[in-house]
Amino acid sequence: AQSVTQPDIHITVSEGASLELRCNYSYGATPYLFWYVQSPGQGLQLLLKYFSGDTLVQGIKGFEAEFKRSQSSFNLRKPSVHWSDAAEYFCAVKGGGADGLTFGKGTHLIIQP
Amino acid sequence: GAGVSQSPRYKVAKRGQDVALRCDPISGHVSLFWYQQALGQGPEFLTYFQNEAQLDKSGLPSDRFFAERPEGSVSTLKIQRTQQEDSAVYLCASSLGGTGYWGEETQYFGPGTRLLVL
Repeated sequence: AQSVTQPDIHITVSEGASLELRCNYSYGATPYLFWYVQSPGQGLQLLLKYFSGDTLVQGIKGFEAEFKRSQSSFNLRKPSVHWSDAAEYFCAVKGGGADGLTFGKGTHLIIQP
Repeated sequence: GAGVSQSPRYKVAKRGQDVALRCDPISGHVSLFWYQQALGQGPEFLTYFQNEAQLDKSGLPSDRFFAERPEGSVSTLKIQRTQQEDSAVYLCASSLGGTGYWGEETQYFGPGTRLLVL
């Protein structure tokens, strides 16, 4: 069965600074990978997804992620964060015939002024 | 252009009560998913429907949990004899495609129903 690890429970970044959120997955083949963002009281919004092809994926709101098969990672990056980026970020994987997504426990992003 | 909607948004139940949570998927979406998100955790898969057929209920934690989607659109998640450990946010998601396609399909999530069992 697949699993997802997000090693950082909380991350604090100054506004305007760069951001990298880590995600490691466990799965035998190439999975489908996703990053979602969840703001308080809101549902999950898809930031980007990777299925195949170019390992650098561009998403909404200026986010990108890079799939690295050798490291089983799919880290999320943004060159300059805004206060509105403060939220919970979830990495998810789908594969192996599973019907649902398998999510990590999330990383809580705090933006310092 | 309505998204996935869920009702009620908040539900407080006394232990032992039955509750019903409703999900209205995006119109025309074939696939519908239910997830449970405990406090401080990521969502966990409960069950999957393709149209009216419940194809996967492997994530339902006990036989007190029951889901249906009788006409292939609106879905209801029912929890019987609620327990305190059922307190969580219940998320519904839908995607356009069906089996064989939705591995690549984006799942669109509703805002969730926050259930508190006292």
